[in-house]
Amino acid sequence: GENVEQHPSTLSVQEGDSAVIKCTYSDSASNYFPWYKQELGKRPQLIIDIRSNVGEKKDQRIAVTLNKTAKHFSLHITETQPEDSAVYFCAASSTGNQFYFGTGTSLTVIP
Amino acid sequence: DVKVTQSSRYLVKRTGEKVFLECVQDMDHENMFWYRQDPGLGLRLIYFSYDVKMKEKGDIPEGYSVSREKKERFSLILESASTNQTSMYLCASSFWREGYNEQFFGPGTRLTVL
Repeated sequence: GENVEQHPSTLSVQEGDSAVIKCTYSDSASNYFPWYKQELGKRPQLIIDIRSNVGEKKDQRIAVTLNKTAKHFSLHITETQPEDSAVYFCAASSTGNQFYFGTGTSLTVIP
Repeated sequence: DVKVTQSSRYLVKRTGEKVFLECVQDMDHENMFWYRQDPGLGLRLIYFSYDVKMKEKGDIPEGYSVSREKKERFSLILESASTNQTSMYLCASSFWREGYNEQFFGPGTRLTVL
């Protein structure tokens, strides 16, 4: 099956700086890569996703890049704000029904 | 707005009890999932279902079973609860969109087994 690794497990940045979270996957059949944000005590919510036919996708201050050859994808958050503090999960899925999640990154934005 | 609800936010049970966790979604999604979330381990799939009465084992099915009698409802059953099943349980549902799935999560049930 698929194996998704996520790094780092914790990340602290100063407000206004950028944050980068990286994930690798093992199954070349995976073709959908969502990122979820989970605030303390709340459910995970999709913040951005990317398909395997796209190399990069942006949505305001967040962007995701995908390198299919190297089997890794990354989340980039620019101009971080305190409300970006949360746990972020990457995931990978093929056209089947299963999602494989990374172990999560706890991001703290220091005001 | 997609709504995925779970029957309880917090639950305390004793070792050996049979425990039912219920999940309901209101968007006619084909797929439903049960995960457990533990610190440092991320989200681990217990079971999923892609249709009524259909179920597939995930990565950690031992000690759990599921039931999906209606499309909108997916139940997780702990036949005989044990302390190592103390965890946060998250239900999710998804649908096909342009050939891919997007998952929507419920609020979670924090289960404590004493």
